[in-house]
Amino acid sequence: GESVGLHLPTLSVQEGDNSIINCAYSNSASDYFIWYKQESGKGPQFIIDIRSNMDKRQGQRVTVLLNKTVKHLSLQIAATQPGDSAVYFCAENIRVGSNYKLTFGKGTLLTVNP
Amino acid sequence: KAGVTQTPRYLIKTRGQQVTLSCSPISGHRSVSWYQQTPGQGLQFLFEYFSETQRNKGNFPGRFSGRQFSNSRSEMNVSTLELGDSALYLCASSLRTPWADTQYFGPGTRLTVL
Repeated sequence: GESVGLHLPTLSVQEGDNSIINCAYSNSASDYFIWYKQESGKGPQFIIDIRSNMDKRQGQRVTVLLNKTVKHLSLQIAATQPGDSAVYFCAENIRVGSNYKLTFGKGTLLTVNP
Repeated sequence: KAGVTQTPRYLIKTRGQQVTLSCSPISGHRSVSWYQQTPGQGLQFLFEYFSETQRNKGNFPGRFSGRQFSNSRSEMNVSTLELGDSALYLCASSLRTPWADTQYFGPGTRLTVL
């Protein structure tokens, strides 16, 4: 798994398997969480987001789970494909009045083996 | 719609020099954020502009500055470059706010300081 601020972990899966990427966030006041995918040589690409008043959100082949009790976020990718190989980042947003602070994790490198 | 564009894509400078990077957001997007990405520190928030005003700022020294023009295009400037400024600089745009609207990232500018 990953914790905001630590070294880059890796996850290797077989094509067709489900992938679970984990992220531990730091601040219980965080109200918005986002997962990004970054392929080599490209900028991060939005995958899915979730607000703190939810504990699950589903997209196309992706599901984000939020456990506020233990400050844990996970991204599940169903039927992982070679094109899913990338670095995945979680980000947390903390609102402070009219300002905000968006903090990104270091990322998890997902490698999909054909 | 065209995506976020950044120029130049690659830049080599020497210590002590200054550099200006440019970002054109997606048409209609008024919020532009800048990030620095390094292997050691990951993605770190620099600042965000909205309607030509800096609305949020990260924890970077004053050598890092930015501005936004009336057409929402943004530039960031780094003065007195240091070796540690070598990084991928990413720009992201969103409709109004990075915490309520999806952020779309550009491909980044790779800055190397020698």
